[in-house]
Amino acid sequence: EAGVAQSPRYKIIEKRQSVAFWCNPISGHATLYWYQQILGQGPKLLIQFQNNGVVDDSQLPKDRFSAERLKGVDSTLKIQPAKLEDSAVYLCASSFSLGGAGEQYFGPGTRLTVT
Amino acid sequence: KNEVEQSPQNLTAQEGEFITINCSYSVGISALHWLQQHPGGGIVSLFMLSSGKKKHGRLIATINIQEKHSSLHITASHPRDSAVYICAATGGTYGQNFVFGPGTRLSVLP
Repeated sequence: EAGVAQSPRYKIIEKRQSVAFWCNPISGHATLYWYQQILGQGPKLLIQFQNNGVVDDSQLPKDRFSAERLKGVDSTLKIQPAKLEDSAVYLCASSFSLGGAGEQYFGPGTRLTVT
Repeated sequence: KNEVEQSPQNLTAQEGEFITINCSYSVGISALHWLQQHPGGGIVSLFMLSSGKKKHGRLIATINIQEKHSSLHITASHPRDSAVYICAATGGTYGQNFVFGPGTRLSVLP
């Protein structure tokens, strides 16, 4: 079974530029998560999708971050414009369970550096 | 103050040592997850616990629901065990989401 795929693996941009990350979850997984993990901290949930609907985006900085999962499969996360404090690893995870409390499978992450 | 706490923050051990990493949380939950993150890599799920104890190879995870505490033990540690170990609580008061601890960075020296 293929795992969660993410691209790119690394990205370096200057502040005020835009960037987009892509995630393809495990086939059949209804729930998709985007997390931000700042160095030395645990992951922080940015947004949770169930199929193509948003379940929780309460911690997403909506003035600069956006995410979509139009067909209920793959997803993109965009930052526009980026700030220095956005430097982090962006993790995508998926889960088969609709309730969200089941096991999550994580992708390799995208390491973003904003200079 | 993080809702899920871990100790120690950093841990260095010699190969072969028995290792314990602790996780505590403050509210009722339905499950506690232990995750492993290698440098530059993604996160791998090790255990999902709702009660008692689970064992997989050299790894053992326990949870005490009444005391709101969980431990991850590694027996006969090896340098390849070097990673960040993260616990995450879910369900109950936390609802559907994972609430992550800050992680414990483990280095096992040969």
